[in-house]
Amino acid sequence: DIQMTQSPSFLSASVGDRVTINCKASQNINKYLDWYQQKHGEAPKLLIYNTNNLQTGIPSRFSGSGSGTDYTLTISSLQPEDVATYFCLQHSSRYTFGAGTKLELK
Amino acid sequence: EVQLQESGPGLVKPSQSLSLTCSVTGYSITSNYWGWIRKFPGNKMEWMGYISYSGSTSYNPSLKSRISITRDTSKNQFFLQLNSVTTEDTATYYCARLTMMVLIPNYFDYWGQGVMVTVSS
Repeated sequence: DIQMTQSPSFLSASVGDRVTINCKASQNINKYLDWYQQKHGEAPKLLIYNTNNLQTGIPSRFSGSGSGTDYTLTISSLQPEDVATYFCLQHSSRYTFGAGTKLELK
Repeated sequence: EVQLQESGPGLVKPSQSLSLTCSVTGYSITSNYWGWIRKFPGNKMEWMGYISYSGSTSYNPSLKSRISITRDTSKNQFFLQLNSVTTEDTATYYCARLTMMVLIPNYFDYWGQGVMVTVSS
């Protein structure tokens, strides 16, 4: 099974900061990597699919990049409403999740 | 708008079966794929399985023969049954829709809010 290593586990940043979250796969996942945002008590929300495709309705400050085994979610200018947990998901071979990154405001 | 809502008992005894329902509105479950995912205390997430637009299923091998996903197209619902539960099955259970690419399941685009299930005597 493909393992996903997500970092950091916890992130504290200020409004306006550029934030990056990383996921590393145990093998090449051919860009089949998605990013989700989850706020407490809410359903996970799809942000980015297949590495770099912005889901409809998601602000353009969110972007994704990567290839092979290494992938990144970037928030270009952090907003207060971005406080949430973020997780990655590979769907190259079945489905496996990153452990999540809890993002808070400094 | 596509909406999914999980329902079912919040407490199950060890060795019994866990049964959950996902009610879908705004989209027919005879299209796309429909899956179950769970999030354990401590936030680890696990894909459990899915059912296709045609009723075929695929399961996480780690759940072996304990899992069954079925559907009722007349009610636009699909179901999760997990047998012989233990305390390690305590989790928040989510249902979600999978997009398709050339009839192959792709990524999860719509999720329910989740239902917390505790396994305890």
